Amino acid sequence: DAKTTQPPSMDCAEGRAANLPCNHSTISGNEYVYWYRQIHSQGPQYIIHGLKNNETNEMASLIITEDRKSSTLILPHATLRDTAVYYCIVRVRNTGGFKTIFGAGTRLFVKA
Amino acid sequence: DVKVTQSSRYLVKRTGEKVFLECVQDMDHENMFWYRQDPGLGLRLIYFSYDVKMKEKGDIPEGYSVSREKKERFSLILESASTNQTSMYLCASSLLPGQGEKLFFGSGTQLSVL
Repeated sequence: DAKTTQPPSMDCAEGRAANLPCNHSTISGNEYVYWYRQIHSQGPQYIIHGLKNNETNEMASLIITEDRKSSTLILPHATLRDTAVYYCIVRVRNTGGFKTIFGAGTRLFVKA
Repeated sequence: DVKVTQSSRYLVKRTGEKVFLECVQDMDHENMFWYRQDPGLGLRLIYFSYDVKMKEKGDIPEGYSVSREKKERFSLILESASTNQTSMYLCASSLLPGQGEKLFFGSGTQLSVL
């Protein structure tokens, strides 16, 4: 199963871009990269996902390297409300469907 | 918006009790999941189900069972609760692969076993 590696914590100044890296060097060709975040005392929230092209939505951008071994989640203008744990996940196929395995994530602190 | 509802936000039970955690989703999703979350250990998958009456073990199924009698409802059962099952339990649902596999989570149930 493909695993992901993320830094345990990062700081970012409010209003600046937050760039959260993720390493998934054993990813296979048909596995997607997903990002979720979890604000304290809430369930995780989906942010974005991609296969090999860069993706952008109203929340963030996802940059995936050409060899697909790593990716970066970009929050273009971080706010205090973006302080959360961010999870980078590779979807693993199991019999009958996909299961999602969460790692430890990156705790992002956005500071005023 | 998709809604995943967990029956209780906080629950206190005694050791040895049988505990039912209920989860209901309102978007006709095929897949449903139960995770537990503990400080320092992150989210760990207990069981998941990709169809009614179907279930598969996750990474930590010991001490738990599940029931999926209807598509919208996925129950987690602690047959005989123990103190090491004190945790935050999170339910999630998703569509079939190829239809947008993103997970939608409930708000969680904080279970304390005394």
